[in-house]
Order: sequence, then C-alpha cells, then structure tokens
Amino acid sequence: DTEVTQTPKHLVMGMTNKKSLKCEQHMGHRAMYWYKQKAKKPPELMFVYSYEKLSINESVPSRFSPECPNSSLLNLHLHALQPEDSALYLCASSPTKGRSTDTQYFGPGTRLTVL
Amino acid sequence: SQQGEEDPQALSIQEGENATMNCSYKTSINNLQWYRQNSGRGLVHLILIRSNEREKHSGRLRVTLDTSKKSSSLLITASRAADTASYFCATDGVGSIYGNKLVFGAGTILRVKS
Repeated sequence: DTEVTQTPKHLVMGMTNKKSLKCEQHMGHRAMYWYKQKAKKPPELMFVYSYEKLSINESVPSRFSPECPNSSLLNLHLHALQPEDSALYLCASSPTKGRSTDTQYFGPGTRLTVL
Repeated sequence: SQQGEEDPQALSIQEGENATMNCSYKTSINNLQWYRQNSGRGLVHLILIRSNEREKHSGRLRVTLDTSKKSSSLLITASRAADTASYFCATDGVGSIYGNKLVFGAGTILRVKS
C-alpha cells in the first residue's frame, strides 16, 4: 500500500465549529506532515511529526491543533477558524526523519471552506 | 519563507513539444526535488537530484542542477495532454534534522494542448 489517504475530501465549517481532518498511511513511514495550500500558491509546511512526536511547528496559530495517535495516523483539529484559513490541507509522509533525500508521499488533500 | 522561485509562471504548448521549467533557490541545498500536482489534488514526486549531481533522467524527464547558479531545470520531452499540471521544485530547508523539511517554489502551470 503506497497511498496516503485523507478524509474528508471536502469540509465546510462555520467559525465557531470544531472539526478534525484525518490522514492515514500504511507504508511504515515515521515522519508525517501537514501542509496548507492556498489557490495558485505552493504548499506551506505547518507541522512535522517524527516518530509520533511533534518536531516542527511553523508558528501555526493555536486554532490548528495537530495530533499523532500512532505511527499510521495524523489528525488536524480545527477550532474557531477564520475565513482566511480556507485552503487545501495536504498530508504527507516520508520514510524516516533527518534524511532530506526522502521522498514525501502526499495525500489528495482536504478542501476546507470556512464561512 | 519561500526558497525556490520558478519560471515561467505558466506555459502553454502543443502536444508533442518539449516543456522546460526553471527553478532558482537562495541558500545551499543537499538536494532538489520536483513534484507534479494535478488540479486541486495531492503532489506526486517526480525526481530528486542531489547537490553533487548535474543531470538526471527519468523516462521523459530530464533534470539539471547548477549549484553555482543555484538553479535547476526540468525538461519534459514529447509532452502529452496528461502532463497538464502544476510543477513545483522543492529544496530541503535549513534545519532538516527533525524531518525532511521541504520548501516549495512558486510553481509553473503547464498546459499541454491536444
């Protein structure tokens, strides 16, 4: 299985809602990532988990809360988002930490709209 | 901060023609990768070139790297309509000890007309 899956595909939420994005991989990868991508822009790194520990937080607002329950799962909990948070949220994984030659495998993304 | 910059921003060609995209970056790198993204979907890894390599091939793809100019190019030969996508270069950022921190360029939107 060489796939990263993300659910849901689309999400519409109000500014007072709490929702979660889910990402799953069964490739035995030990690093997992959340990216945010605005329209016609490149992906921007939000968080990196390495061996289930948060290793990089790119100064992301606290209304985004990542969680890595086990080596296969990565969640992104959303609360009190703003309309400018509307974007495509991409999850990725890579085999190991600390090896910049690792390829990252991306999921198809969750299209988030905040009303 | 964004390390890689790409040009052109958009490229439209006929099927069968070659497409060349360029990427420039600002700091030293260990390697440079190219990814493709179909509209609104996830990214797919195409090719990785290490800093001590000058050229690499994979099928219809040819990547060059000039570390003295801090630039790379991606050539797609004999393009097909299915190559229509956005193409991003990505460099390994500073402080990649805790994971493979990639910094993506702005991307080139390629349209191949059939």
